[in-house]
Amino acid sequence: NAGVTQTPKFQVLKTGQSMTLQCAQDMNHNSMYWYRQDPGMGLRLIYYSASEGTTDKGEVPNGYNVSRLNKREFSLRLESAAPSQTSVYFCASSSGPGFYGYTFGSGTRLTVV
Amino acid sequence: AQSVTQLDSQVPVFEEAPVELRCNYSSSVSVYLFWYVQYPNQGLQLLLKYLSGSTLVKGINGFEAEFNKSQTSFHLRKPSVHISDTAEYFCAVSESNDMRFGAGTRLTVKP
Repeated sequence: NAGVTQTPKFQVLKTGQSMTLQCAQDMNHNSMYWYRQDPGMGLRLIYYSASEGTTDKGEVPNGYNVSRLNKREFSLRLESAAPSQTSVYFCASSSGPGFYGYTFGSGTRLTVV
Repeated sequence: AQSVTQLDSQVPVFEEAPVELRCNYSSSVSVYLFWYVQYPNQGLQLLLKYLSGSTLVKGINGFEAEFNKSQTSFHLRKPSVHISDTAEYFCAVSESNDMRFGAGTRLTVKP
């Protein structure tokens, strides 16, 4: 199915470990986004990439890095995981600025112990 | 900066009853408004969006929303809900490159 694919779907990390969450879209979208979802807080923007070759910080960038590898792929890296980063992470893409609406992946459930 | 407040964290309702999920936003410029739905263990799906024009917007699954600029609101309504509408609903606002979401409203439809 066309859309946004996230890997892995589940992950358990120990405090201090690193990992990269992968996201790929096959809709030829220009913009890509990483959000985290926590109970009672909705979705909060971590980083976004308005176009290939650019990235910008969102509301909660601390502790994360991103790479826009090409037009299709946008990865999120946790260099030294902390329990506060336990969350569900969603990748989304859009053909243009926010008002185009987003297509979301199915999420990565990350637990840091 | 743009922000969204969803006024109810949980809304229980009986099947075939009407429902309204409330959303207020703040922004210093013209905005674009959205409602998304999230079913358990899934990503978010777009229900409807307001970009410009008619203030009453119709979406999928029988949902509609009304943009009220003077009250800075974008409430979501459905005249008769089904069990299958049980899900979490998110209101969102976009000014330019990104989108900000409310905390969500959990709609539970009871038989």
